[in-house]
Amino acid sequence: AQKITQTQPGMFVQEKEAVTLDCTYDTSDPSYGLFWYKQPSSGEMIFLIYQGSYDQQNATEGRYSLNFQKARKSANLVISASQLGDSAMYFCAVLLTGGGNKLTFGTGTQLKVEL
Amino acid sequence: DAGVIQSPRHEVTEMGQEVTLRCKPISGHDYLFWYRQTMMRGLELLIYFNNNVPIDDSGMPEDRFSAKMPNASFSTLKIQPSEPRDSAVYFCASSRTPGQGTRVYNEQFFGPGTRLTVL
Repeated sequence: AQKITQTQPGMFVQEKEAVTLDCTYDTSDPSYGLFWYKQPSSGEMIFLIYQGSYDQQNATEGRYSLNFQKARKSANLVISASQLGDSAMYFCAVLLTGGGNKLTFGTGTQLKVEL
Repeated sequence: DAGVIQSPRHEVTEMGQEVTLRCKPISGHDYLFWYRQTMMRGLELLIYFNNNVPIDDSGMPEDRFSAKMPNASFSTLKIQPSEPRDSAVYFCASSRTPGQGTRVYNEQFFGPGTRLTVL
């Protein structure tokens, strides 16, 4: 079974600084998708960004970008110009194309943005 | 557009009672998912449907759990009888099969969740 590892249980960043949240995955399947979700203290899960295993370029969505290193099996989320509203839990998830439409989530990283 | 709708938002019940959680997916989405989130186990997929048909229920903990999707706009997750260890946040999510392109599956959109407490 595939495994997703988020090694940083908690991270702090100052407002307006950039922060990188780590995610590594373990799969031998060649075709997969990587997703990042944000869960604020209110509890909802918010989709942020997607990267396909065959995508040539790193995904970007506004202040979010994905540092995708396929050989290293890592898909780190970069948040630029952090805002107080970015304080939340962030989850990395992988979906194996050949395994059905099933997301496997990491354990999450709690990000706190400070003034 | 309305997002995924779940009800109730909070449910407190006593051990042994039947609990029914409800979900309305985003209109036009053909996949529906039920997840459970706990501190100990994180986010787990329980079951998912495609075009109202259950595709994978390997994550359903035991026979006390059942899920149905009678039509494209409604699904239920039932626990009977409930136990204290079922206390968790239950999320429903939906997604749509991608159109032409490189993606095989699209991102899933989550509902607000139902916080279940079994006493």
